[in-house]
Amino acid sequence: GDSVTQMEGPVTLSEEAFLTINCTYTATGYPSLFWYVQYPGEGLQLLLKATKADDKGSNKGFEATYRKETTSFHLEKGSVQVSDSAVYFCALSGLTGTASKLTFGTGTRLQVTL
Amino acid sequence: NAGVTQTPKFRILKIGQSMTLQCAQDMNHNYMYWYRQDPGMGLKLIYYSVGAGITDKGEVPNGYNVSRSTTEDFPLRLELAAPSQTSVYFCASSYGRATTNYGYTFGSGTRLTVV
Repeated sequence: GDSVTQMEGPVTLSEEAFLTINCTYTATGYPSLFWYVQYPGEGLQLLLKATKADDKGSNKGFEATYRKETTSFHLEKGSVQVSDSAVYFCALSGLTGTASKLTFGTGTRLQVTL
Repeated sequence: NAGVTQTPKFRILKIGQSMTLQCAQDMNHNYMYWYRQDPGMGLKLIYYSVGAGITDKGEVPNGYNVSRSTTEDFPLRLELAAPSQTSVYFCASSYGRATTNYGYTFGSGTRLTVV
């Protein structure tokens, strides 16, 4: 079945450091890929998405490129801020019955310090 | 714009008790989902619904029941709480089947502890 593997956290960075959170996936067919972010006390929010190979999703300075050859969708940001501290989830879409379904990774906690 | 509202935010249950986790959305979304998140694990789909009166099982439905009498509400029922149901529960909704176009809107979660 479908699965998503994310790097273990927590990731601790100083403000303005470069961020990479690794994500690889296993899926049949050609899924769409997503990054969701969860800020403390809140629900998950869609951060960015990519629907086909070589697509680059971007939002709020974050980027991720859909790499079919390596089955990866790594999240990057050039300069993190304290406000980026959150848990980040990689996910892929698949079909279950009559609905689509998201399969999530375990989440990676990012802590940014001054 | 409330989005997806879950209540309660926290709850402690004793083994064998029952409760209903409430989920309501005000976006006129057809599709609604219940996920659970265990520590160090990803989110797993419990049940989903594609519209009022239509529900179906996800990956981990045992011990839970759902109903969808209106477009807005999708409550999750635990009949006989067990320690294995200690988790954080997320409700989500989406406009249509194609999450590629619409994405999911999530509630803020219910943290449930069964002792």
